[in-house]
Amino acid sequence: DGGITQSPKYLFRKEGQNVTLSCEQNLNHDAMYWYRQDPGQGLRLIYYSQIVNDFQKGDIAEGYSVSREKKESFPLTVTSAQKNPTAFYLCASSKLVSSTDTQYFGPGTRLTVL
Amino acid sequence: AQTVTQSQPEMSVQEAETVTLSCTYDTSENNYYLFWYKQPPSRQMILVIRQEAYKQQNATENRFSVNFQKAAKSFSLKISDSQLGDTAMYFCAFMKHDGSNMLTFGGGTRLMVKP
Repeated sequence: DGGITQSPKYLFRKEGQNVTLSCEQNLNHDAMYWYRQDPGQGLRLIYYSQIVNDFQKGDIAEGYSVSREKKESFPLTVTSAQKNPTAFYLCASSKLVSSTDTQYFGPGTRLTVL
Repeated sequence: AQTVTQSQPEMSVQEAETVTLSCTYDTSENNYYLFWYKQPPSRQMILVIRQEAYKQQNATENRFSVNFQKAAKSFSLKISDSQLGDTAMYFCAFMKHDGSNMLTFGGGTRLMVKP
């Protein structure tokens, strides 16, 4: 089946630790995105990548880092510099040269800092 | 910068009835896309419907339709014959037509469909 997978579904982190959230897609989409969702709020863009080995900061990039070594993979690292990392994290992907331009989302990862 | 506002934090509707969710946005762009996404309790974001700003005709997808008023910068979602499975958070989102495919989301409306 084509789609976007995120792992793990739930992640617990101790303060001061870095953690990496996985996002993989087999839709052959060019662009990938990371969003953060806090309770009762909309999604905010952390980072996005339109091409391998290139990525741009979104609205709330501080305390996060990403890499895009392969077209199908876009992992997000939550570093110890992120002061309030407890949130729900959603990964998305989209084509860039099509009439649809729609983003499709993965199932999300719930990160909790202990 | 674009902003998207959903003024109804929560709404409820009886099963089989019709409900309309409001969304307004602010932009200086002329060419853009608008979306409604649904997020059920599973938290998976699901595309409901999309609208291209250059199209005057309102988009429809089965029981879901939009009322797109470009001059008023309004993009409401109408759900007809509401079903229990429509219970979810609904997010309105804006995308500039600049190749970036970046989405700006509203704060969401929690919809409860009552039996």
